[in-house]
Parts: sequence; structure tokens; C-alpha cells
Amino acid sequence: NAGVTQTPKFRVLKTGQSMTLLCAQDMNHEYMYWYRQDPGMGLRLIHYSVGEGTTAKGEVPDGYNVSRLKKQNFLLGLESAAPSQTSVYFCASSRGTPIGQYFGPGTRLTVT
Amino acid sequence: DAKTTQPPSMDCAEGRAANLPCNHSTISGNEYVYWYRQIHSQGPQYIIHGLKNNETNEMASLIITEDRKSSTLILPHATLRDTAVYYCIVRVASGGGADGLTFGKGTHLIIQP
Repeated sequence: NAGVTQTPKFRVLKTGQSMTLLCAQDMNHEYMYWYRQDPGMGLRLIHYSVGEGTTAKGEVPDGYNVSRLKKQNFLLGLESAAPSQTSVYFCASSRGTPIGQYFGPGTRLTVT
Repeated sequence: DAKTTQPPSMDCAEGRAANLPCNHSTISGNEYVYWYRQIHSQGPQYIIHGLKNNETNEMASLIITEDRKSSTLILPHATLRDTAVYYCIVRVASGGGADGLTFGKGTHLIIQP
């Protein structure tokens, strides 16, 4: 199993540009999550999904949109990137609570 | 979620057991103890979790005191690849999916050759 994979690994955007981050998991997990990690801030939950076709807001959802059209994929979109969205983005999946979450390798995004 | 307290850093010799403590004195009855680690520049990695009983898997053992106010993660034979920041997290298993993780500062475990 590949586990959780993320595409791309690195990206540089200019302010105002848009992009989509792709997360894929091959573990048949119901739950998927998007986090951002900033220096000194720890992980913060952006959006999550409890199943195909469902999404919900996490702690810091503003400026991001998500979609879960297929169970194995969870997309994170930035419609108009801002420098404050410079961060490392992690996707995770889980069979559900209380089982642990399995993380991807991360996407390093820089917005100039 | 209950607050956790961990030492900021620890050293351990390669091949020895690494014992990482965590205090969670305000833990409530329905809160689980989770351990994750993050190796530099990589995604966090789930290690183990438990409610009341001690747990063991292929990576580690989790020892929870009888009063549940503290726990210890044990890596039985530490290797250089175990150098990472280890996070102890206490959370209710909400079942609703909104169980986003919040990492504190964790313990930076350094395995010495």
C-alpha cells in the first residue's frame, strides 16, 4: 500500500493565483483531513470529510475549499492565494475514531 | 481536551529502550491517549493509542497508570531513525470526524550512536 500520497510536493504561487492540492489514500478510509503546519503553531485543521460527498469546516477554513467526489481522494483548493497561506499542508486519513490518523508527506507551498 | 505536559527533550543511546513520559492529570474518563511522532520535514506518524489498558504494537508500547493521570511511551530498541519530536495527545473519540489533532510542543527525542 502507498498509504497517503500528496501532489505536488512543492509549489510556489504568486498572490492571487489559484491551485489545487490532491490527497489520495488507498486504505479505504472513510475520514480524511487537511491540516496546515506553521512554525511555532503546530497543526491546525482546515477542513475534513467523514465520507464520500461530505465535507466540513475545521479550525481555519477561510480561503480554502475542499471536495471529496471519490472516497480515496480529498482535494484542497486555494482560489486566490495570499502570502498568509504560505505553509506546509498535510493530508491525513483514518478509519474513524478512536483509530489514529495516517498522514501524507506534505506539500510545501510558498505564496509570494 | 485535557492538557498534556512533556519534557522538551530527551537523549537515549542507540539500542536501549526509550521511555517518553507524558502527564495528563486532568484527563476525563472518555478521553484516549494518543502518541504521534514527526521526523524532521516529514508528515506526522501515528504510533499508538490507548484508553485504560496498556497497549503494544509493532512500533511501541504504551503504559497508562491506573489513575490515568500519566502515561509512558516505550520504544524498546531505539535506533537512529527514531530521532524525532514525539507528541502525546489526549482527545475524546467524538465519532463525528471533527477530531482534528492539536500538537503541543512535544518531546524532541535524540538517539545517540
